[in-house]
Amino acid sequence: GENVEQHPSTLSVQEGDSAVIKCTYSDSASNYFPWYKQELGKRPQLIIDIRSNVGEKKDQRIAVTLNKTAKHFSLHITETQPEDSAVYFCAASGAAGNKLTFGGGTRVLVKP
Amino acid sequence: GAGVSQSPSNKVTEKGKDVELRCDPISGHTALYWYRQSLGQGLEFLIYFQGNSAPDKSGLPSDRFSAERTGGSVSTLTIQRTQQEDSAVYLCASSLDRTFEAFFGQGTRLTVV
Repeated sequence: GENVEQHPSTLSVQEGDSAVIKCTYSDSASNYFPWYKQELGKRPQLIIDIRSNVGEKKDQRIAVTLNKTAKHFSLHITETQPEDSAVYFCAASGAAGNKLTFGGGTRVLVKP
Repeated sequence: GAGVSQSPSNKVTEKGKDVELRCDPISGHTALYWYRQSLGQGLEFLIYFQGNSAPDKSGLPSDRFSAERTGGSVSTLTIQRTQQEDSAVYLCASSLDRTFEAFFGQGTRLTVV
């Protein structure tokens, strides 16, 4: 089955700086890569996703890049704000029979 | 329409008792997942359903845990002879298919005393 590794496990940034979270996956047949944000006491919610037919996708201050050859994908948050403080999870899916598999999560703290 | 609904929201049970947690997925969603999340920790995968079948049960921690899904819809997670280490938030998620957005329920907070 699929295995997803996520780094770093914690990330502290100054407000206004950028944050980058990186994930690697094991199954080259995976073709769907979502990112979820979980605020304290709340459920995880999708913030952006990318499919294997594109290399980059942007939505305002967040962007995701995908390198299929290297089997890694990254989340970039620019101009971070205190409300970006949360736990972020990457995930991968798509290979026949493989469920959606999550990384271990990154706790992001944006310091004002 | 309605999102993923889980019941109960909170459950306090005595050690050794059995509990049932319920998940009502979004209508038409074929994929359904159960996860467990302890305070400040990540998403611990328990079981994945595609329709009524469970192609991946690899995350169930012990034979005290079981789950079923009927009619391709509602799912029930049963924990027998609960232990204190079972205390956690149990999250259910559903998606149209495993390559589409998964929507999470609000979770069931289980406390074993």
